[in-house]
Amino acid sequence: DAGITQSPRHKVTETGTPVTLRCHQTENHRYMYWYRQDPGHGLRLIHYSYGVKDTDKGEVSDGYSVSRSKTEDFLLTLESATSSQTSVYFCAISESGGLNEPQHFGDGTRLSIL
Amino acid sequence: LAKTTQPISMDSYEGQEVNITCSHNNIATNDYITWYQQFPSQGPRFIIQGYKTKVTNEVASLFIPADRKSSTLSLPRVSLSDTAVYYCLVGDGAAGNKLTFGGGTRVLVKP
Repeated sequence: DAGITQSPRHKVTETGTPVTLRCHQTENHRYMYWYRQDPGHGLRLIHYSYGVKDTDKGEVSDGYSVSRSKTEDFLLTLESATSSQTSVYFCAISESGGLNEPQHFGDGTRLSIL
Repeated sequence: LAKTTQPISMDSYEGQEVNITCSHNNIATNDYITWYQQFPSQGPRFIIQGYKTKVTNEVASLFIPADRKSSTLSLPRVSLSDTAVYYCLVGDGAAGNKLTFGGGTRVLVKP
């Protein structure tokens, strides 16, 4: 499997606190993505990156920010977590950004906001 | 991205062939059809992709009729470990595409 590591794997925090999730890849892929998965909604794209310092919004970007200072790391930050952001978060990578280029996913971070 | 429709769930038994059909009536000329598999507590995993006719790999086959308005993922001789959710996606090679998985098909393989 592709070398993708998400950290932490589980986190419980309180409403209003900042939270940062990390995705680390060893494949040197250009594109990186953050998704959230909720019951009844499938996976929804939050933000993606097409290179160092190059990012763009996805379908559900409100309340989230991202940063990519190195090819291998893509950070997702919840500046002030809310209960609606309780979800499972997946990071994915791909060599190019097209749908005909398969994405490889990490094992997810389960985030609970109380 | 073209909207896709697939059954919510399917049950099967070990050793049987499972066929999951996905409808994508609004598929565009440049769109590819891609299937992912997701096990509980894991991220989705790419299974197979095709543009037309038939594609086969070591895991599955993908059948696409000439009008491309539907596609069928075929899993031969399933085992208990094939119990998972299977997602059908349709889209083109435009950079930065917004991958939308939808609800998928939950396949349960019984002994």
